Amino acid sequence: DADVTQTPRNRITKTGKRIMLECSQTKGHDRMYWYRQDPGLGLRLIYYSFDVKDINKGEISDGYSVSRQAQAKFSLSLESAIPNQTALYFCATRSYNEQFFGPGTRLTVL
Amino acid sequence: DAKTTQPNSMESNEEEPVHLPCNHSTISGTDYIHWYRQLPSQGPEYVIHGLTSNVNNRMASLAIAEDRKSSTLILHRATLRDAAVYYCILSNTGKLIFGQGTTLQVKP
Repeated sequence: DADVTQTPRNRITKTGKRIMLECSQTKGHDRMYWYRQDPGLGLRLIYYSFDVKDINKGEISDGYSVSRQAQAKFSLSLESAIPNQTALYFCATRSYNEQFFGPGTRLTVL
Repeated sequence: DAKTTQPNSMESNEEEPVHLPCNHSTISGTDYIHWYRQLPSQGPEYVIHGLTSNVNNRMASLAIAEDRKSSTLILHRATLRDAAVYYCILSNTGKLIFGQGTTLQVKP
């Protein structure tokens, strides 16, 4: 079983809809991250969390919110999706100097 | 976080060594040098990291210049499965700032 899982893996939605992407981990790590990746580009950090009570904005947090429901779960929400949020979204956990990434969620906003 | 510069793309032949360069002239004394790679249709995966000394692990070696202004990721025998985008990242906070990386093509 994968250590970091993301659901859904693919999602198509319409402009203005609220959508939630979920991330779960079995690694027992406190630190979790959400990134987005646009075609041909590297990943950009949206939000990160050092523990359940510590959530921080990354480079591109506008239009996104997160919830850390438990050590193992970190959800990313788009309150009102817009087309330029179409991207590949990755969740990651961290232990010491290594981050472990999930398989990604491909989100399309029409 | 300090910036890194990598070539956009490189080619290698299968079973030959590959040296992937990274320049980071503005590196600070506390910055670690991290390498991640992203295989097609997958999330990034950790390759190696170091601070000052050269490092070896089962995947690769990391050679760090004495002045730390550059580093080289060494894949000792490239395989077709090593074709990926390789990212060189500096960080002292645990946050990773990804650039565009180097796309490595491995020819049979």
